[in-house]
Amino acid sequence: GNSVTQMEGPVTLSEEAFLTINCTYTATGYPSLFWYVQYPGEGLQLLLKATKADDKGSNKGFEATYRKETTSFHLEKGSVQVSDSAVYFCALSDLAGAGSYQLTFGKGTKLSVIP
Amino acid sequence: NAGVTQTPKFQVLKTGQSMTLQCAQDMNHEYMSWYRQDPGMGLRLIHYSVGAGITDQGEVPNGYNVSRSTTEDFPLRLLSAAPSQTSVYFCASSAALGRSNYGYTFGSGTRLTVV
Repeated sequence: GNSVTQMEGPVTLSEEAFLTINCTYTATGYPSLFWYVQYPGEGLQLLLKATKADDKGSNKGFEATYRKETTSFHLEKGSVQVSDSAVYFCALSDLAGAGSYQLTFGKGTKLSVIP
Repeated sequence: NAGVTQTPKFQVLKTGQSMTLQCAQDMNHEYMSWYRQDPGMGLRLIHYSVGAGITDQGEVPNGYNVSRSTTEDFPLRLLSAAPSQTSVYFCASSAALGRSNYGYTFGSGTRLTVV
């Protein structure tokens, strides 16, 4: 079956530090890949996505590149801010029943950025 | 522009009680789903629906029922609440039928405690 593995948290960084959150996946098909972000007390929001090999998704200074050869989709940001403190989820979308595409999530990585 | 609306936001139940968690979306999405979020477990799929009148089980369906009488609404019923159902529940919708690159839109969640 499909699975997503993320680096364990929590991750604590100082403001303006470089961020990497590792994500690897296992899939039987050719999935689309996503990063979602969850701010405290809120639901998940789509941060970025990539749908084919070597695609780079980007949003709000975050980037991730779809690497089929290493089955990875690592999230990076060059300079984090306190407002980036949240839980980040890596996910893949693959074909399920009745023509629907379902998301399989990693366990999430909590990021805390300190001033 | 409401998106996905979940009610209630918080609920405390006694063991054995029943209740319904409400979810409504106004985006005419065909696909709707329920997830539960537990510490260290990420998000796990409970039930999903690919359209009115069609539902199916996800990874952790036991103890929960769903129905989909309209495109807009997808309620989740707890038949006899147990402490193991203490969790945060998220409803999500998507226009993803047949398209792998669509993300999900999440509600803000219902925090349920069973005592």
